Amino acid sequence: GENVEQHPSTLSVQEGDSAVIKCTYSDSASNYFPWYKQELGKGPQLIIDIRSNVGEKKDQRIAVTLNKTAKHFSLHITETQPEDSAVYFCAASLNAGNMLTFGGGTRLMVKP
Amino acid sequence: SQTIHQWPATLVQPVGSPLSLECTVEGTSNPNLYWYRQAAGRGLQLLFYSVGIGQISSEVPQNLSASRPQDRQFILSSKKLLLSDSGFYLCAWSPDRDGYTFGSGTRLTVV
Repeated sequence: GENVEQHPSTLSVQEGDSAVIKCTYSDSASNYFPWYKQELGKGPQLIIDIRSNVGEKKDQRIAVTLNKTAKHFSLHITETQPEDSAVYFCAASLNAGNMLTFGGGTRLMVKP
Repeated sequence: SQTIHQWPATLVQPVGSPLSLECTVEGTSNPNLYWYRQAAGRGLQLLFYSVGIGQISSEVPQNLSASRPQDRQFILSSKKLLLSDSGFYLCAWSPDRDGYTFGSGTRLTVV
């Protein structure tokens, strides 16, 4: 089955700096890669996703890149703000409606 | 639009007591439904998933069970809670064109 590894497990940055979280996956058939943000005491919420026919996707300060050959994808957050502090999860699946395999999560702390 | 409801938000239960957590989805039919658990500061552990009424797959053998009595209802149960059952329980559904949609979670503390 699919295996998703996520690094780092914790990341501390200064407000205004960029943050990068990286994930690798094992199943070359995976085609859908979402990222979730989980604030304290809440359920994870989708913040951005990418499908295998696209190499990069941006939404304001966040972007995701995908390298299918190397089987890794990354989340980039620019101009970080304190409200970006949360746990971020990457995931992979065959398609958007299929079961997701999650990475272990990254706790991002943005220091004002 | 589709929405997912999960309750209660918090629960404190004594060891050995029963448990029932409920999750319902609105605005869709025949969803895939999932129960996850998070220990403090940890990742998402898949407990059960269901592709239809009465169809339950268990990922982790443990003190919990799940049932799906109706198309859009998913219930997580236990006959006798253990201390190790404490955690944050999340329900999710798919297919959704944007992957999973999670509920707001239930914080369970077993004392």
